[in-house]
Amino acid sequence: AQTVTQSQPEMSVQEAETVTLSCTYDTSESDYYLFWYKQPPSRQMILVIRQEAYKQQNATENRFSVNFQKAAKSFSLKISDSQLGDAAMYFCGIRGGSEKLVFGKGTKLTVNP
Amino acid sequence: NAGVTQTPKFRVLKTGQSMTLLCAQDMNHEYMYWYRQDPGMGLRLIHYSVGEGTTAKGEVPDGYNVSRLKKQNFLLGLESAAPSQTSVYFCASSYGGGNTAKNIQYFGAGTRLSVL
Repeated sequence: AQTVTQSQPEMSVQEAETVTLSCTYDTSESDYYLFWYKQPPSRQMILVIRQEAYKQQNATENRFSVNFQKAAKSFSLKISDSQLGDAAMYFCGIRGGSEKLVFGKGTKLTVNP
Repeated sequence: NAGVTQTPKFRVLKTGQSMTLLCAQDMNHEYMYWYRQDPGMGLRLIHYSVGEGTTAKGEVPDGYNVSRLKKQNFLLGLESAAPSQTSVYFCASSYGGGNTAKNIQYFGAGTRLSVL
């Protein structure tokens, strides 16, 4: 079974500052990928970034980057130059060899002007 | 492109009533999924399908049935609704399985269901 833990139910950041959201996971599989989804108040689930476990280089997408520590089973999301539009729930997740995505319980990010 | 479309967006049911949620995707995806989202619980997989005519159970399948008669549609049914099924339901689809970039899951906008 795969599990995902997001230890920060809520986080806040000042506009233009940097924030890091934590995520740890557990899996017995060797082939998997990790991802972060964003859910703004509109409820729409939006893929922010993904990382294949076999890749050593950390994924980046514009202001979003991850710190993937495979041995520690850690997959944190860093948001640089935070914007008001970044305010949302963020879900970390994992998908292994089965067809199922397993999500964490989410972190609510507030961006203060 | 419409992507993944869910209908209805909101629904209120009385205990014991039945209903069907419809998910439609126009991306020619093979895989489709139904999740429920509850406060503090993240998203949990109810059922999924790896192709037309196939279905499989997810993490929380009890009280739900699904059908995939057409590739583009995935229906979620509640035969006898219970208050515990009050939730937000999300449909998603992906090109296929496996851990490649093309198999990202795309989500619909969700259906908010209240069972009184």
